[in-house]
Parts: sequence; structure tokens; C-alpha cells
Amino acid sequence: AQSVTQLGSHVSVSEGALVLLRCNYSSSVPPYLFWYVQYPNQGLQLLLKYTTGATLVKGINGFEAEFKKSETSFHLTKPSAHMSDAAEYFCAVSDQAGTALIFGKGTTLSVSS
Amino acid sequence: GAVVSQHPSRVICKSGTSVKIECRSLDFQATTMFWYRQFPKQSLMLMATSNEGSKATYEQGVEKDKFLINHASLTLSTLTVTSAHPEDSSFYICSAPSGKGSEQFFGPGTRLTVL
Repeated sequence: AQSVTQLGSHVSVSEGALVLLRCNYSSSVPPYLFWYVQYPNQGLQLLLKYTTGATLVKGINGFEAEFKKSETSFHLTKPSAHMSDAAEYFCAVSDQAGTALIFGKGTTLSVSS
Repeated sequence: GAVVSQHPSRVICKSGTSVKIECRSLDFQATTMFWYRQFPKQSLMLMATSNEGSKATYEQGVEKDKFLINHASLTLSTLTVTSAHPEDSSFYICSAPSGKGSEQFFGPGTRLTVL
């Protein structure tokens, strides 16, 4: 069975600092990996995804993530945090295209000025 | 890009009543849609898979007689919460695969509050 673990339910950074949100997964097959962002009382917005190919994936709003098979990780980073990045972030996995996603518990990102 | 809509966005109902939530794919067809539930400060949990033309598949622990799913067409799935109780208050989100690779599109969610 697949699962996702997000280390750190809450991450706080200063504006301009590096953002690092951790995600580890377990999957018996090559996974599809996703990062979503959710603002209060809103739906999910896809930040980026990994399916095949290049392991460093660039997404929207300056975010990127690197798929590391040996570490079963897909950590999300952004070089310089912005106040507007404050939100809830979810890592998700699926085992094939078109199937339901398994979500991690989420990480709340706070950005202070 | 593809869009998935949900209606209503917010609903408040009395305990014991039934509530219907619609999920529509606006510019693509979806033979499969997924329904998730998100309790406050928690993650999204898959409730069921809605299949056009056949019965929905429910996840373990989800009561199929309480959460009725009807996939009426290739663009519409409905979730009916029957005899709703306060513990059913949650954020319900649907998603649909785009049919093009791994992309899935999520609806904006429906906030259900049962008094």
C-alpha cells in the first residue's frame, strides 16, 4: 500500500528565507508524486508533479522538488519565501495515471516579515 | 486548462436532513471521479470512487448507504449525504482525472455544516 509522510506539521520561515517542506513516500511501483497548496477555505492548487524523466521538477511560484528514489523522498523547496506563500501544503502519491491520490497530513507554512 | 466545479460551495443544514453536492467537469469528460473528505486541520481522505455507468467504490469505513454517489453522466457526479449529523460536517472535495497522463483536477470544495 502506498503512503506519504510529511515531516513537520508546521514550518515557520522569515520572508526571503529558504523554504523546505519534507515529503517521504512508500510505493511498491514507480510513483507519481505531487505537491498541492491549499489556502483557507479553498480547494487544491497543483504546484508541481513528478511522473517520469527529469528528477528535478520545477513548478509554479518558484517552487521546485526533487525526486530521490534512493531516499524515497520528494521534498519541496523555494529559495526565497514570500508572505503570499503562507498556506497549507500537501504531498500526494499515486501508483498510476488516473487513480486516486494518497495525501500526506499536510504542512502549514508560516512566513513572517 | 480543465476545470472541475462543485455546487454548492457552502451549505448549512439541520441534523437529519439530506444534502446533495454536485461535481462537474466543465470542459472534459470524466468516466471516473473521486470524492474526498477533509476535516478541519487534517488531510484529504478518499471516500469513494465514482464510476460513470456503474456502482461507486467505497473506501473502508465509509458507509455507502449514508454517502450516496451517482455518476449520472460523463460530466456529473453527485454525492448525497443522507440523514446528516454534526459529525458529517466537513469539507468535501471532488477530483477528476484529465485523461491525459497523471493530471487530476480538483473542485473548489463544498463546506458542509450540520447543525
